[in-house]
Amino acid sequence: GDSVTQMEGPVTLSEEAFLTINCTYTATGYPSLFWYVQYPGEGLQLLLKATKADDKGSNKGFEATYRKETTSFHLEKGSVQVSDSAVYFCALRRGGTSYDKVIFGPGTSLSVIP
Amino acid sequence: DTAVSQTPKYLVTQMGNDKSIKCEQNLGHDTMYWYKQDSKKFLKIMFSYNNKELIINETVPNRFSPKSPDKAHLNLHINSLELGDSAVYFCASSLWTSGSHEQYFGPGTRLTVT
Repeated sequence: GDSVTQMEGPVTLSEEAFLTINCTYTATGYPSLFWYVQYPGEGLQLLLKATKADDKGSNKGFEATYRKETTSFHLEKGSVQVSDSAVYFCALRRGGTSYDKVIFGPGTSLSVIP
Repeated sequence: DTAVSQTPKYLVTQMGNDKSIKCEQNLGHDTMYWYKQDSKKFLKIMFSYNNKELIINETVPNRFSPKSPDKAHLNLHINSLELGDSAVYFCASSLWTSGSHEQYFGPGTRLTVT
């Protein structure tokens, strides 16, 4: 079945460091890919998305590129801030119009220290 | 102007009790979801309704029963609560016809069963 794998956390970085959170997926067809972020004590919110191969999603300094050849959607940010401390979830949804669920990865916890 | 709201935010109860969690969205969305997040942050879909019709029903004990009185509301009733039901429950909504499949999450209900 479809699945999403993320690098295990927790990840601890100093402020202004470069961030990469790896995400790979297994899915049939051409899924849409997402990164959601969950700040402490809150629900998830969409950070960025990409719907087809080679698309780059970006938001708030974060970027991820849909790589079909490597089935990956790695999240990157050039300079993290303390306020980026959160849990990051990679997710996919299979293409098509049928009612289908979004499959979430296990989440990667990020702590940014001053 | 809360988009997706849940009540209560915290729920502490004893084993064997019956409890309900309510969810409302004011985004005009047509699809709503219930997720369970365990202590390791793993997110699992439980149910989804589209226009009040159940479309996703994962392997969840019969003690869990969702009800959607209208498109803007999705409630979750849990009978005979067990220790393993302790988790954070998130409601989410999306507009299926938009094609974006972005889900908007509520703030969560932390259920503690003692």
